[in-house]
Amino acid sequence: DVKVTQSSRYLVKRTGEKVFLECVQDMDHENMFWYRQDPGLGLRLIYFSYDVKMKEKGDIPEGYSVSREKKERFSLILESASTNQTSMYLCASKGGGGRNQPQHFGDGTRLSIL
Amino acid sequence: SQQGEEDPQALSIQEGENATMNCSYKTSINNLQWYRQNSGRGLVHLILIRSNEREKHSGRLRVTLDTSKKSSSLLITASRAADTASYFCATAPSQGGSEKLVFGKGMKLTVNP
Repeated sequence: DVKVTQSSRYLVKRTGEKVFLECVQDMDHENMFWYRQDPGLGLRLIYFSYDVKMKEKGDIPEGYSVSREKKERFSLILESASTNQTSMYLCASKGGGGRNQPQHFGDGTRLSIL
Repeated sequence: SQQGEEDPQALSIQEGENATMNCSYKTSINNLQWYRQNSGRGLVHLILIRSNEREKHSGRLRVTLDTSKKSSSLLITASRAADTASYFCATAPSQGGSEKLVFGKGMKLTVNP
């Protein structure tokens, strides 16, 4: 089974801090994704990566950046955390075998910015 | 941008009953997928149906796809309390060629024992 591991289940940070959320997958997947999930808004794509060092903006990239130095690891960075970035963050990965493949999700990081 | 919209937004049924959830979308797609999310956890993939398929089964799950109406339904038969979760449809748009999925806002299913 595919395992996607997010480094923290819960995280509390302060406004203005630089925050790193880490995600690791063990299936050699080419594609990795970062979403945020908010009540009433569903899942919104922040960034995704289709290969090492490659990235593409999703629907809500403002205030975020990403890093993919190794295939198995995809990091989401909040450059200067703000209270409106309090949310549930979900990482996912997907193999490169065409579009008819599912995404595999981690358990999420619930981030609170105080 | 949100494309899939689940209907109803919430459903409460008794154990043993069937649960039907509907999803509508707006643009042409390569496939449509259904995911489940237990409270406070990540999403789990349930089933994928390709645009050239009309119906697919997996255990107690049955998914239909009507591309002319841009809609899909997920049927869970003989529901169990463990089916209590939020369910999301997600579409892979055929235009653009990227790996992105577009998720609906989800619907909450409660199965009462």
